[in-house]
Amino acid sequence: DAGVTQSPTHLIKTRGQQVTLRCSPKSGHDTVSWYQQALGQGPQFIFQYYEEEERQRGNFPDRFSGHQFPNYSSELNVNALLLGDSALYLCASSLKQGVYNEQFFGPGTRLTVL
Amino acid sequence: GQQLNQSPQSMFIQEGEDVSMNCTSSSIFNTWLWYKQDPGEGPVLLIALYKAGELTSNGRLTAQFGITRKDSFLNISASIPSDVGIYFCAGRSGSARQLTFGSGTQLTVLP
Repeated sequence: DAGVTQSPTHLIKTRGQQVTLRCSPKSGHDTVSWYQQALGQGPQFIFQYYEEEERQRGNFPDRFSGHQFPNYSSELNVNALLLGDSALYLCASSLKQGVYNEQFFGPGTRLTVL
Repeated sequence: GQQLNQSPQSMFIQEGEDVSMNCTSSSIFNTWLWYKQDPGEGPVLLIALYKAGELTSNGRLTAQFGITRKDSFLNISASIPSDVGIYFCAGRSGSARQLTFGSGTQLTVLP
């Protein structure tokens, strides 16, 4: 049973560029959430996708956008990269229905913006 | 964004000792979670708490959901070297599915 997978593992971009990160949820899960984790901090919620739509969003600008595909996989896109976007980006999957369906995290994508 | 107040920030303990860490919030949560994160990995769920006052164990780990619903603690008994890592508390409120995380407790276990 594959867990949550993310690609790429590491990425280096320059300011102003755009980046796309990818996530495949754990088998059987239908909901994907994205988090940004700055060095030395806890993860911060970006947004959550279910049924191919953004359902909840944290305090992140519109430069951060996403997509969910019919197979439940998801992409996170960040436009006009800033130095402050350098962080570990975590994807978490869960089941939409049920109170006790907790989020399982992938290993993350380390983004460095120069 | 909002973060929970987690303490201590870091701990250095001897192997075999017990350790305790806690998390407080100004807001009420209806779910408290404890995760462990190793270098280069994503957080791994250790314990989930769903009712105020609930005390739950997972091996040498014990966590409690505070009766005010604004705090939680995690205890690790008889620490071992593989306990090294960063421990995060996380809360979920109302019907929200998003998690709010603490800033983490870095645990170092000395031989």
